[in-house]
Amino acid sequence: QKEVEQNSGPLSVPEGAIASLNCTYSDRGSQSFFWYRQYSGKSPELIMFIYSNGDKEDGRFTAQLNKASQYVSLLIRDSQPSDSATYLCAVIRAGANNLFFGTGTRLTVIP
Amino acid sequence: GAVVSQHPSRVICKSGTSVKIECRSLDFQATTMFWYRQFPKQSLMLMATSNEGSKATYEQGVEKDKFLINHASLTLSTLTVTSAHPEDSSFYICSAVRDRDYGYTFGSGTRLTVV
Repeated sequence: QKEVEQNSGPLSVPEGAIASLNCTYSDRGSQSFFWYRQYSGKSPELIMFIYSNGDKEDGRFTAQLNKASQYVSLLIRDSQPSDSATYLCAVIRAGANNLFFGTGTRLTVIP
Repeated sequence: GAVVSQHPSRVICKSGTSVKIECRSLDFQATTMFWYRQFPKQSLMLMATSNEGSKATYEQGVEKDKFLINHASLTLSTLTVTSAHPEDSSFYICSAVRDRDYGYTFGSGTRLTVV
């Protein structure tokens, strides 16, 4: 089982729709969860991090964490073509200080 | 903020030569920095954890004598790819964390091509 699993996609949504990205992780003791966006040929940029169960909202983005289900998601409201990128889920396992990345989900927002 | 600068952004070198990549935290001190490698259409893989004032910790399968890491100050870590070969061609990215409220910030990455 992989440390962090994501559906590789591609996920296509029309402009203005909600994009839903999902991620599961294997280490139940993981404490910190991150969503990064990576454009082709560029380094990842942090969108959000979440540490507690529940929802965390920042502008058009909402991260949702369910530790019991070992599941973290990212919702993008009012999707824009500029949101088209690969979204990486990353986790810090218990006892570690480095990020473990999923393989990423490629999102395409269709104008 | 939490800004990480990485240089060079792109380098082409001949097989057998060495290349040094710098990673700097510009507005904070980073006792720990991380070096990742990313091959096309793959995710980021941690190569090593760079610790200021001490030896780096390498992930399994990463040759420490080939990928030399030096973290001489609280704002600078360097990765030297020694005796580079074409299979070392990749996107190398460094990362540092300021504190829990900022998350992990990445440098802009270095595209290494070995010919």
